[in-house]
Amino acid sequence: GAVVSQHPSWVICKSGTSVKIECRSLDFQATTMFWYRQFPKQSLMLMATSNEGSKATYEQGVEKDKFLINHASLTLSTLTVTSAHPEDSSFYICSARDWSGLRSYEQYFGPGTRLTVT
Amino acid sequence: AQTVTQSQPEMSVQEAETVTLSCTYDTSENNYYLFWYKQPPSRQMILVIRQEAYKQQNATENRFSVNFQKAAKSFSLKISDSQLGDTAMYFCAFELNRNKLVFGAGTILRVKS
Repeated sequence: GAVVSQHPSWVICKSGTSVKIECRSLDFQATTMFWYRQFPKQSLMLMATSNEGSKATYEQGVEKDKFLINHASLTLSTLTVTSAHPEDSSFYICSARDWSGLRSYEQYFGPGTRLTVT
Repeated sequence: AQTVTQSQPEMSVQEAETVTLSCTYDTSENNYYLFWYKQPPSRQMILVIRQEAYKQQNATENRFSVNFQKAAKSFSLKISDSQLGDTAMYFCAFELNRNKLVFGAGTILRVKS
């Protein structure tokens, strides 16, 4: 099956700094990528949807200036958490979709990134 | 807006037995997709099964099957011959127009030996 990777898997940063999380589709072209946030034992909340070469579409309540998303190529999307604060600590998951594939109905999920802001 | 409700926060089942996880959803649309995802302790999301709303036949994948009741807006997951590796959080999800997924709150399933 299609593989999506995320890097780093775990990152600790100090309050006020920025951190970048990468999401890569390893064996397919991801025309659309999604970014989710998940708190412990809770559901996934969609933050934004990005299409390659276009600006991301953010969900209501998500600060676009704080969570910068760049989908610069068909295999890479990045999420940058700017001026991070402890309340930004969470598990961030990306997923990717290949609209041209036979399994275009499926979102392929990355393994997630745990962000801890101290 | 579409919503997905999973009313069972936690469930337990003995190994080799059968368990059913409940899911209801709300939409005024007629064509949509429904999914069950599994999230084991590794937190990697895994697609378990999917159902297209226009198909009346219930989807099955090996030990996993669904009971799709479109009029009742119900989409339950049955796991037969439960295995220890089935221990995970299970999410029901709804997708409209092949756009974004809306997830339910999840059900933690523990399979006991």
